[in-house]
Amino acid sequence: ETGVTQSPTHLIKTRGQQVTLRCSSQSGHNTVSWYQQALGQGPQFIFQYYREEENGRGNFPPRFSGLQFPNYSSELNVNALELDDSALYLCASSPSGRLGGSTDTQYFGPGTRLTVL
Amino acid sequence: AQKVTQAQTEISVVEKEDVTLDCVYETRDTTYYLFWYKQPPSGELVFLIRRNSFDEQNEISGRYSWNFQKSTSSFNFTITASQVVDSAVYFCALSEGGYTGRRALTFGSGTRLQVQP
Repeated sequence: ETGVTQSPTHLIKTRGQQVTLRCSSQSGHNTVSWYQQALGQGPQFIFQYYREEENGRGNFPPRFSGLQFPNYSSELNVNALELDDSALYLCASSPSGRLGGSTDTQYFGPGTRLTVL
Repeated sequence: AQKVTQAQTEISVVEKEDVTLDCVYETRDTTYYLFWYKQPPSGELVFLIRRNSFDEQNEISGRYSWNFQKSTSSFNFTITASQVVDSAVYFCALSEGGYTGRRALTFGSGTRLQVQP
């Protein structure tokens, strides 16, 4: 069984540019969540996708956007990059996201380290 | 609003010592889940355990054990006979249940454990 994979591993961008990060969910998982982890801090929830629709969002501006595809893989897009966007971006997948359902365990990928200069 | 506090920023022990990592949480929900994740230097968050708010039984898995006490809103993690391979950052996380369908994890700031040989 393949776990959660993310690409690229590392990325360097300059302020004002746009970036797309990719995530493939674990087999059988239909929900993908994205988190931002600044150096020395715990991960912060960005948003979650279930069956190609946004299923919840944290306190991040609209320049953070995402997509989920029919195969449940996902993209995180960040426009107009700022220096503070430098962080480890973690993707997590879980097996269900039904409204009213129970909470399921999120399994994380290795992350993409983004550096904004 | 939910919150997770890990007051210990860094702990250093000598191999074979026992060590306890503290976690205190705040939530207004009666249904919630608590998690512990391990983050080795590679960056990937590794799932260790999930507990729901209705199950206060302590759990033991090999050298790991967890103590969940609703009365003090704590979910502490003990490693018995620590080993160098246990060196990592450990995160406690909370996910509220209910009917929103959102399964965002709220993480603490993490505790860095260094096990010296």
